[in-house]
Amino acid sequence: NAGVTQTPKFQVLKTGQSMTLQCAQDMNHNSMYWYRQDPGMGLRLIYYSASEGTTDKGEVPNGYNVSRLNKREFSLRLESAAPSQTSVYFCASSEIGRNTEAFFGQGTRLTVV
Amino acid sequence: AQKITQTQPGMFVQEKEAVTLDCTYDTSDQSYGLFWYKQPSSGEMIFLIYQGSYDEQNATEGRYSLNFQKARKSANLVISASQLGDSAMYFCAMRRGGSGYSTLTFGKGTMLLVSP
Repeated sequence: NAGVTQTPKFQVLKTGQSMTLQCAQDMNHNSMYWYRQDPGMGLRLIYYSASEGTTDKGEVPNGYNVSRLNKREFSLRLESAAPSQTSVYFCASSEIGRNTEAFFGQGTRLTVV
Repeated sequence: AQKITQTQPGMFVQEKEAVTLDCTYDTSDQSYGLFWYKQPSSGEMIFLIYQGSYDEQNATEGRYSLNFQKARKSANLVISASQLGDSAMYFCAMRRGGSGYSTLTFGKGTMLLVSP
């Protein structure tokens, strides 16, 4: 029962470097999401994909891009990492429905130095 | 804009006692959903319970219940008979109605510590 799988689990980047966070789900969910969690804060939505072929901005999209590669996979790209992007990143997926919950991956701890 | 407020940064409870974690929300939507998630020290997010804005009865899931007071815009989580494994961060979250997507707005969380 893999659920939502994120890679990598940990990453250290230098300012200005780029990287892609990978996310895959095996629950056949239509919707996928990227959130970030900063110390003392709840999670904040970066981008989401309501269904395959669509993506939309969330609350904090600046500095990020996303790709919904297929129904299973949703990646998050940092083109030029900044120290302000140091955070824990969570991918999640859900079915579309009024009372359906989101299932979260284990998180990726990213440090930008 | 939606907002979730959790006013208790930390709560302490003894094992086997009940504890209430507070959550108030602000929204102009008529249809919305309220969720509680648990985040243990290992970091994963675990879904606990859901309440829809049109649900007439308070949601219950095992030892968890949600005390939903719509007029007061509160959705407090009640954990009965606390266990040591309940020590974790707890987040209240809200989803806007209509879309059915889990584009959630989270509160800042409450850290619960359960002592023997």
